[in-house]
Parts: sequence; C-alpha cells; structure tokens
Amino acid sequence: GQNIDQPTEMTATEGAIVQINCTYQTSGFNGLFWYQQHAGEAPTFLSYNVLDGLEEKGRFSSFLSRSKGYSYLLLKELQMKDSASYLCAVRDGANNLFFGTGTRLTVIP
Amino acid sequence: EPEVTQTPSHQVTQMGQEVILRCVPISNHLYFYWYRQILGQKVEFLVSFYNNEISEKSEIFDDQFSVERPDGSNFTLKIRSTKLEDSAMYFCASSLPRGRYEQYFGPGTRLTVT
Repeated sequence: GQNIDQPTEMTATEGAIVQINCTYQTSGFNGLFWYQQHAGEAPTFLSYNVLDGLEEKGRFSSFLSRSKGYSYLLLKELQMKDSASYLCAVRDGANNLFFGTGTRLTVIP
Repeated sequence: EPEVTQTPSHQVTQMGQEVILRCVPISNHLYFYWYRQILGQKVEFLVSFYNNEISEKSEIFDDQFSVERPDGSNFTLKIRSTKLEDSAMYFCASSLPRGRYEQYFGPGTRLTVT
C-alpha cells in the first residue's frame, strides 16, 4: 500500500522561506514528485527527486532521503501567487503516481 | 508548448447514465493515465494505459469503468452507470515512459452526478 503524509495547511509571509515536509511509506519507489495545484486547476509539475539530496530549480528546491522516507519542498522569496496546494507524489515501479492529501499554503502580505 | 486537453470541462449527468470523458494526450507521449479528485480530497490514481492496454488499475477502477484509445490521438474514460459518489474532477495525464519524465495533467473534467 501507499501512505503519504504532509501537513494540511501552512501560512507564511510574502518574501519569506517556507519548507513543506512529506513522509512516505510505499511498496515500490521510483521517484518523488512535487506538484503545485491552484484551486480548481490541474496539478503542475514542480520538481523530481529519485536520488538522495537536494535539487534546486530557481526559487524552488526539493530534498529527498530515501532511507528516511522523507522529502521536503523549499520555497524561497515567497510571492502571493505561491498561495496554492502543494502535492507530494510517489511514483511506483509501474510509473503510477500516488499523491498525498496536499498542503494548502497561504501567503500573507 | 504541448499540452494535454480534455473535454468537456464540465459534465452533468443523472445517476445511472453512461458518460464518456475525453482526453487528447501530448502527441509523443506513450503512457496515459486517469486520476480523480473528489472535492476537497486528494488526487487518486485510477488507471494507467500503455501499448493499447491497461498497465495498472486501482481498487476504484471497477467494472463500471473502462478506458479506450479509439484512434491515434484520443484517450477516453467511460463510466457505464454513474453513481452519486462518482462526482469528482477527473484528470487525464500523459508521460514519456522512462526516467524522470513527469506526468503532464490536463485541465480536468468536472463530473456532477445528480
């Protein structure tokens, strides 16, 4: 089975840094993805990790520790438009994605 | 930039009716997926499709559901006899088959069963 946990909600201030954590227990692991989803819209790809370590992509970074079943998404220099849900998803050996419940991030002025 | 498209954007149907949701994946992609998201809940995997057959399916994807790739471009999800609990947003996604290739999601079809 797949069990993916992330906080339900977070609030952060414009210009600040926020870290969204994700822990997972899955049968089969073939990479971890972070997606952004604005209300009523489709998920859009943010980042991918398959090896341990940090992947940086502009204002967004993602970290993975496979031995700990742990990942985080780091958002720097927060902007109001970053208010969205952030979905942690694990890909199994068959290339299928299993999503966490998502973390709703609210950026305040 | 290539994108996944879905039609219709919103479908309202009566309980017991059949619905077909349509998707056009990105043209050079080989894997196709359907997901659903009940309002306020997580995105749930339904089925994956590769080489003209189902690769994997979840417990949700029971005998009421079927998928088809009727031609070289469309990918459809059929629900034979809709139930109230089928009301959800249905997302189609596609990907290349290997490596880090992320799944690209379509804009979704909101299905409302009354």
